[in-house]
Amino acid sequence: QKEVEQDPGPLSVPEGAIVSLNCTYSNSAFQYFMWYRQYSRKGPELLMYTYSSGNKEDGRFTAQVDKSSKYISLFIRDSQPSDSATYLCAMTRYSSASKIIFGSGTRLSIRP
Amino acid sequence: SAVISQKPSRDICQRGTSLTIQCQVDSQVTMMFWYRQQPGQSLTLIATANQGSEATYESGFVIDKFPISRPNLTFSTLTVSNMSPEDSSIYLCSVEDRKASNTEAFFGQGTRLTVV
Repeated sequence: QKEVEQDPGPLSVPEGAIVSLNCTYSNSAFQYFMWYRQYSRKGPELLMYTYSSGNKEDGRFTAQVDKSSKYISLFIRDSQPSDSATYLCAMTRYSSASKIIFGSGTRLSIRP
Repeated sequence: SAVISQKPSRDICQRGTSLTIQCQVDSQVTMMFWYRQQPGQSLTLIATANQGSEATYESGFVIDKFPISRPNLTFSTLTVSNMSPEDSSIYLCSVEDRKASNTEAFFGQGTRLTVV
């Protein structure tokens, strides 16, 4: 069993829809949770960063962490074609960039 | 945030040869990392490049296959040695920038390697 499971998609939704992306994990020691966005032929860029359980909102993006269920989510409101990318969940036990475990990524396409 | 330049951006190589990938950062950083991203799979950490000492390799990766240099706080190289088609992948340099949040990792644009 992988430490982090993520549905690879692809996921295709119309512009303006609410998008829900999810990951599950098995290691209860993870404390720091991240979402990265990766455009084609580019490196991943950090989108959201959350410590422990709870919600965090940044503009159209909301990250949720439920440590009791070992489940994290990213919601995108009012989705735009520019949101089309691969979204990677990531997590680590440490407050540094070492030992980050990544999900395999969900490919998202927003249809105009 | 740190700006990372990675070279080459892509290459096609013959099996049995070696390729060295360069990673240049625009500021001094303590931690630099090398990742591999295979098609449809997650990013996998190859090693942590330590300045002034040998790199720390993750399980499944060895120095003979992936030698790493880190001569200073802004530069590192990863060599993929004696390549086979199974080494075809995207290789990514990453740094931790402590001017940002503690856990933020910045990535270069990657090197897309095809071994024929």
